[in-house]
Amino acid sequence: NAGVTQTPKFQVLKTGQSMTLQCAQDMNHEYMSWYRQDPGMGLRLIHYSVGAGITDQGEVPNGYNVSRSTTEDFPLRLLSAAPSQTSVYFCASSYSSSSLALGQFFGPGTRLTVL
Amino acid sequence: AQTVTQSQPEMSVQEAETVTLSCTYDTSENNYYLFWYKQPPSRQMILVIRQEAYKQQNATENRFSVNFQKAAKSFSLKISDSQLGDTAMYFCAFMKLPAQGGSEKLVFGKGTKLTVNP
Repeated sequence: NAGVTQTPKFQVLKTGQSMTLQCAQDMNHEYMSWYRQDPGMGLRLIHYSVGAGITDQGEVPNGYNVSRSTTEDFPLRLLSAAPSQTSVYFCASSYSSSSLALGQFFGPGTRLTVL
Repeated sequence: AQTVTQSQPEMSVQEAETVTLSCTYDTSENNYYLFWYKQPPSRQMILVIRQEAYKQQNATENRFSVNFQKAAKSFSLKISDSQLGDTAMYFCAFMKLPAQGGSEKLVFGKGTKLTVNP
């Protein structure tokens, strides 16, 4: 199993550009989520999904869109990037929302810089 | 809303010694889970240990153990026989028990940067 994979590892954008951060898992996990990590802020939940076709907002959803058309993939879209979105983004998954209690598997992260 | 507080932004310890990282949380829930995650310089988040609030016995995983004080809402992590590979950011996290048919989210603290010195 590859686990949770994220692409790209690094990205630099200009203000106003759009892009999609990719996340995929091959463990047949129902629950997937996106976090951002900023210095001194810990991890904050952006969006999450409890299964294909179902998504919901987390703590800091503004400026981000998600969709979940398959169990494996959970892309995060920035429609119009802003410097405030400069951060490290982590995708995570678990077998189900109830198995969150067992912990999540995290991807390696994407470092995004918006100029 | 639940909050998680890690009051020590940075700590250091000598190799082979013991160190304790602090975590407090605020919740009105009675059933919940607590976690410690480790993030080494590679950035990969790794689950270190977890604790169910309904269990009075403190969780242990090899050199890692917790001191869970439910009344005080405290959840500290003790690392015994510290190793150089323990150098990392450590995050405390909270999750309330999912309601039936519902889903819950993890709330993370801001982290403690631990350095193990040779």
